Amino acid sequence: EDQVTQSPEALRLQEGESSSLNCSYTVSGLRGLFWYRQDPGKGPEFLFTLYSAGEEKEKERLKATLTKKESFLHITAPKPEDSATYLCAVRRYGGATNKLIFGTGTLLAVQP
Amino acid sequence: DVKVTQSSRYLVKRTGEKVFLECVQDMDHENMFWYRQDPGLGLRLIYFSYDVKMKEKGDIPEGYSVSREKKERFSLILESASTNQTSMYLCASNLGQYTEAFFGQGTRLTVV
Repeated sequence: EDQVTQSPEALRLQEGESSSLNCSYTVSGLRGLFWYRQDPGKGPEFLFTLYSAGEEKEKERLKATLTKKESFLHITAPKPEDSATYLCAVRRYGGATNKLIFGTGTLLAVQP
Repeated sequence: DVKVTQSSRYLVKRTGEKVFLECVQDMDHENMFWYRQDPGLGLRLIYFSYDVKMKEKGDIPEGYSVSREKKERFSLILESASTNQTSMYLCASNLGQYTEAFFGQGTRLTVV
């Protein structure tokens, strides 16, 4: 069964304290891994798409990487405005080919 | 920028009412989706549509129906609202089969 697991469930960092969020997945025929940011009471905001192992994408203080079994979202020198829930989703080949399977997210709190 | 707009941010409805949630996207995307998001369960796909008048069931279609009469508009219908349909509802769209999805701001529905 296709599954996406995110860890930790919650993470509290001090401003400037770098860390990583993990997204592990089991899916047959990965056709994209997606990272989103979600602020309270709002819809998810798209951050990155990764398609193949070894791929990396960067945006400001965020860097996403992908292996054959997991993805990491590295946050370098975070600021309080990086506080949000970060969601990971995968899409697989075949079946309902446009279906995204989401993890339950990591709630990140960055304290000043 | 892609814009996905949901008609209401907050709704309160009574048990048994018929409820319509509307979603409009302005980027000529082929595919549109309805998800619900509940604490601890993540985002779950209710229905998606890959063309006008075309639809497919997602993981939790029971108690819901959808309508897509125009390419830019996708409606979610709760035929007879129940308290277990209290949730955050998210509409999304994407251009191609394996591209990223963009989300609306969400509708927080409370059924009393």
